[in-house]
Amino acid sequence: AQKITQTQPGMFVQEKEAVTLDCTYDTSDQSYGLFWYKQPSSGEMIFLIYQGSYDEQNATEGRYSLNFQKARKSANLVISASQLGDSAMYFCAIWTTGGSGYSTLTFGKGTMLLVSP
Amino acid sequence: NAGVMQNPRHLVRRRGQEARLRCSPMKGHSHVYWYRQLPEEGLKFMVYLQKENIIDESGMPKERFSAEFPKEGPSILRIQQVVRGDSAAYFCASSPRGPEAFFGQGTRLTVV
Repeated sequence: AQKITQTQPGMFVQEKEAVTLDCTYDTSDQSYGLFWYKQPSSGEMIFLIYQGSYDEQNATEGRYSLNFQKARKSANLVISASQLGDSAMYFCAIWTTGGSGYSTLTFGKGTMLLVSP
Repeated sequence: NAGVMQNPRHLVRRRGQEARLRCSPMKGHSHVYWYRQLPEEGLKFMVYLQKENIIDESGMPKERFSAEFPKEGPSILRIQQVVRGDSAAYFCASSPRGPEAFFGQGTRLTVV
């Protein structure tokens, strides 16, 4: 079975500072994908960034980067220069087959990020 | 190209009624996934469908819940005889094939 662990229920950061949201995963699959989603108070799930297990470079998308450490099975999200609009719930998820032949997403419990002025 | 469309956005049902949640995937996507998010939890996989086929329903309760994705029309998640514990946000995601998964805005079901 696949598992995602997000150990930080909540994080606080000041505007313009960088913040790292932790994510560790567990899977026996060799091929998998790691996602981060943002869920603001309005409730929608917004895709942020994706990292494939065979990608050698860490993924980056604007102010978001994924610190992928395969040996440690970690996929931390780094947000640089935080903005007030970054305040939201953040979910890490793994996309894997789990031996079934098709893939689904397994989510962590999330980290609430609050950005203060 | 519209995104994944879910309706209604909010649904209130009395205990014992039926709830029908609809999901229209993105154009060209033939894979649909339903997830449930209980308050203050992450999303939990319920069911994976392709056109006219249920591929995996291992995350869906055996009683009262059913899902379909007909040849024409949206995917439907149906909950019969709703109970208070069914109150949650239900998200649909679609994919042409993995690993992309594009989510709808969710349907928030409240059972009173």
